[in-house]
Amino acid sequence: GAGVSQSPSNKVTEKGKDVELRCDPISGHTALYWYRQSLGQGLEFLIYFQGNSAPDKSGLPSDRFSAERTGGSVSTLTIQRTQQEDSAVYLCASSFETGRMETQYFGPGTRLLVL
Amino acid sequence: AQSVTQPDIHITVSEGASLELRCNYSYGATPYLFWYVQSPGQGLQLLLKYFSGDTLVQGIKGFEAEFKRSQSSFNLRKPSVHWSDAAEYFCAVVLRGDDKIIFGKGTRLHILP
Repeated sequence: GAGVSQSPSNKVTEKGKDVELRCDPISGHTALYWYRQSLGQGLEFLIYFQGNSAPDKSGLPSDRFSAERTGGSVSTLTIQRTQQEDSAVYLCASSFETGRMETQYFGPGTRLLVL
Repeated sequence: AQSVTQPDIHITVSEGASLELRCNYSYGATPYLFWYVQSPGQGLQLLLKYFSGDTLVQGIKGFEAEFKRSQSSFNLRKPSVHWSDAAEYFCAVVLRGDDKIIFGKGTRLHILP
């Protein structure tokens, strides 16, 4: 595709429900990253994938958060038992491969509101 | 503490005026340095990046940034801003040996007509 796409663009859910956020990276990009943008914390790293494996999950804020990537392409970020503090914009990025020399291209984000 | 600092939360300049957005970092080794822009309703877009070499880096949309090792700074500049430059700007680093981006808190730029 032309760029990184994310769905849904907006999601409103009730506290305690589970949500799934989807990211479609740029075709051919092997590295995929999830970030969260919230008012209190700014932009923070959550997890990244190289292919289907996740070498760095250090940014996941709790065990309610998980992510997977299958087929080296689409990734899903799942938040279980959502809390109000999970309300944020979740951004996905992809790059051709991992490495600090690679530019990360960002999607438009999913805006999550937990009531 | 290790950090990326953007001291200005908001900056307002008149259209046509020059712009400088400040960024300082605090890490043992010089990280890789980036500036991103986020326009309303848009995703993050890379303006420029610095890895090594020439300390004055040219980016897209007429922006440039200068790396100053002695000041641990990587300030973003533009000689003449346009109304379309109104956005939020993020300074960011990638630590050597790592892959994830660490972002500053951002500076929101407002343009006066």
